[in-house]
Amino acid sequence: GENVEQHPSTLSVQEGDSAVIKCTYSDSASNYFPWYKQELGKRPQLIIDIRSNVGEKKDQRIAVTLNKTAKHFSLHITETQPEDSAVYFCAASSDYKLSFGAGTTVTVRA
Amino acid sequence: KAGVTQTPRYLIKTRGQQVTLSCSPISGHRSVSWYQQTPGQGLQFLFEYFSETQRNKGNFPGRFSGRQFSNSRSEMNVSTLELGDSALYLCASSLEDRVYEQYFGPGTRLTVT
Repeated sequence: GENVEQHPSTLSVQEGDSAVIKCTYSDSASNYFPWYKQELGKRPQLIIDIRSNVGEKKDQRIAVTLNKTAKHFSLHITETQPEDSAVYFCAASSDYKLSFGAGTTVTVRA
Repeated sequence: KAGVTQTPRYLIKTRGQQVTLSCSPISGHRSVSWYQQTPGQGLQFLFEYFSETQRNKGNFPGRFSGRQFSNSRSEMNVSTLELGDSALYLCASSLEDRVYEQYFGPGTRLTVT
């Protein structure tokens, strides 16, 4: 089955700096790679996703990159703000199943 | 549109008992997935249902089961509860061909004592 690894597990950044979270996956059949954000005490919410035939996608301060050959994908948050503090999960989708990484707790220091 | 709802929100059970959790998807969403969330293990996939059929399942023992009704509402059942089953159980709904774009419910917090 699919195995998604996510690094780092915790990330502390100064407000205004960038944050980068990296994930690897094992199943070459995975074709969508969404990212979810979970604020404390709330449900996970989809923030961005990328298809396997796309190398990069951007949405305002968030960007995702995918290297299908190396089975790597990453989330980049620029100009971080206090509201970016949350747990971020990467995931890989195949065969009607979402496999999640273990999560990265991002703390933005004022 | 109303979001995904789950009942009950909190549950306390004793080891050996069984429990049934319920999930109502967003109107028009026919795919429902279930996850177990624990601090150490993150989000673990339990199973996915579409049109009353289980299309995929995760690596959980047979004590964990689910079903989906014709109105797309879903239930999951855990029998012979163990202490390690204490967790937040999340369900999520999606359009049938966009399983990667899931909308989560608030979860049911299960505590097994």
